[in-house]
Amino acid sequence: ETGVTQSPTHLIKTRGQQVTLRCSSQSGHNTVSWYQQALGQGPQFIFQYYREEENGRGNFPPRFSGLQFPNYSSELNVNALELDDSALYLCASSSRDTNTEAFFGQGTRLTVV
Amino acid sequence: AQSVSQHNHHVILSEAASLELGCNYSYGGTVNLFWYVQYPGQHLQLLLKYFSGDPLVKGIKGFEAEFIKSKFSFNLRKPSVQWSDTAEYFCAVNAHASGGSYIPTFGRGTSLIVHP
Repeated sequence: ETGVTQSPTHLIKTRGQQVTLRCSSQSGHNTVSWYQQALGQGPQFIFQYYREEENGRGNFPPRFSGLQFPNYSSELNVNALELDDSALYLCASSSRDTNTEAFFGQGTRLTVV
Repeated sequence: AQSVSQHNHHVILSEAASLELGCNYSYGGTVNLFWYVQYPGQHLQLLLKYFSGDPLVKGIKGFEAEFIKSKFSFNLRKPSVQWSDTAEYFCAVNAHASGGSYIPTFGRGTSLIVHP
């Protein structure tokens, strides 16, 4: 176990809806990164939050947004869901100050129908 | 933009065979390099990492990797695989960007199946 927890584990949404995914980071970590992993692909970096501010973003449209809270937990929000958003969404926590490796949660499996 | 290439998408081996998985990255600046493993039904976990120093790094479960800066490579090796090594293997690079941040990039992954 990594100490990184994500919720929910699975969910099904309809195209056009909005979804919020949650992540609790490992104790002592101040950085949370979100990834999208499509079937048969490696994780694709969505964005990273460091001390409640976005600290880097991958090639994802603005309808992917996030938050980080004072306790370093984080949310990923996706608006106007599309079928291609169906994927495993991974959260990883790390400490930017010491540039540690990332510790991953189990992921949230999102299916858009 | 940085990228990571894993040359082998699917590898099938018999137990006791040797393993080498290729990984190349494109980024001219400072990088940190990682190999992650994902066993069936489990989360991604770190096998080994390279930050600096000896370019030959040893990880868990008998895995090792060698950083060759001139070739932008970080290949993963294991002299004798076991059935329990069946998993997905991901090479990843943290490219150091301006302002102290870094952007993590993963390769597509290699699916390893080891026959008993």
